[in-house]
Amino acid sequence: AIQMTQSPPSLSASVGDRVTITCRASEDIRNELSWYQQKRGKAPKLLIYAASSLQSGVPARFSGSGSGTEFTLTISSLQPEDFATYYCLQDSNYPRTFGQGTKVEIK
Amino acid sequence: EEQVVESGGGLVQFGGSLRLSCAASGFTFGNYWMAWVRQAPGKGLEWVANIRRDGSAIHYVDSVKDRFSISRDNAKNSLYLQMHSLRDEDTAVYYCVRDVSPSSGGRYYDAFDLWGQGTMVTVSS
Repeated sequence: AIQMTQSPPSLSASVGDRVTITCRASEDIRNELSWYQQKRGKAPKLLIYAASSLQSGVPARFSGSGSGTEFTLTISSLQPEDFATYYCLQDSNYPRTFGQGTKVEIK
Repeated sequence: EEQVVESGGGLVQFGGSLRLSCAASGFTFGNYWMAWVRQAPGKGLEWVANIRRDGSAIHYVDSVKDRFSISRDNAKNSLYLQMHSLRDEDTAVYYCVRDVSPSSGGRYYDAFDLWGQGTMVTVSS
């Protein structure tokens, strides 16, 4: 199975900060990656698919980039509602595999 | 309103069986791939299985192969997960998920755009 490694596992940031989360795949997955946001006690929410396509209704401060084995999720200006855990998911091969998550906390 | 609602979770003994159901409404269920994703208490997300629109293709994570079975009934707008030989490590919230499968350049991508609230499965030893 393809291993997905996210970094950092957690980070502290302030409102207005630019935040970048990295996801690395153990093999080439082209652009077959999506990003999800999960708030405490809630179901995840789709942010980005195909590495860089913004899901309808998701604020433009979220962006995704990358291909091959390295991908990033960027929040250009962190808002109070963005404090959550973020996961990447590869859909290149079966079984699909998630990264272990990155928790974004308030500094 | 588009929604999926899971049911069937609960407390089950080690080695026991349970059947989860997911009722879809507000959209044409048969037009979508569907999946189950689970989350153990305090842990990350784990993809469990998915099924093609017409049920003709199914995939599982290795840890549940030969124990779990995903199925669907498009006439009833329902997705199922039959679980046998349950283990401690199967304890989790199980989410029913719709895959909107956007396409680009001739390739279809996974995009889980609709999630249920989850149903908790607890395996007791």
